Amino acid sequence: DTEVTQTPKHLVMGMTNKKSLKCEQHMGHRAMYWYKQKAKKPPELMFVYSYEKLSINESVPSRFSPECPNSSLLNLHLHALQPEDSALYLCASSTDRENTEAFFGQGTRLTVV
Amino acid sequence: GNSVTQMEGPVTLSEEAFLTINCTYTATGYPSLFWYVQYPGEGLQLLLKATKADDKGSNKGFEATYRKETTSFHLEKGSVQVSDSAVYFCALSFRTGNQFYFGTGTSLTVIP
Repeated sequence: DTEVTQTPKHLVMGMTNKKSLKCEQHMGHRAMYWYKQKAKKPPELMFVYSYEKLSINESVPSRFSPECPNSSLLNLHLHALQPEDSALYLCASSTDRENTEAFFGQGTRLTVV
Repeated sequence: GNSVTQMEGPVTLSEEAFLTINCTYTATGYPSLFWYVQYPGEGLQLLLKATKADDKGSNKGFEATYRKETTSFHLEKGSVQVSDSAVYFCALSFRTGNQFYFGTGTSLTVIP
């Protein structure tokens, strides 16, 4: 199994809603990532979890709250988002060995109305 | 700092044409280098990688060679197909910090 599974694939939410994005991998990877991608732009790193601990937070607004309940799961809790937060949210995972690639999920297309 | 620079797109080619997408990098240390491909509405898929100088990564007819002297990792394919239409991202990573640095992406359209 070399898949990173993200749910839901599409999400429309209002600015007062609370929602969560989910990500799951069963490759035994101990590093998991959240990226945000706007149209025609590269992915922008948001958070990195290493061994279930938050290791990198790229100055992301607090309306985005990550959570890593166990080594296979990664969540991104959303609250009071703005329309400019509409984007494709990508989850990825990798091993902690040298020279390793990241495996990406298909993404969640988020629209904030 | 660490960064990746890709050639500007979009690139439009006829089927069976030769493809080159340029990628250069700036890095403190010795990174691993990657090419990822993103088809419309999908996530990123690893296309190929190289982990040290002079390594050549290859997959599905695509190739790229890790050139330390020119800090480059150009993507090439001898004969493109319509199905190769996608956005291509060059990236680098270091083990320490688990960070990946992406280029801006190059959109490729192949016309029959």
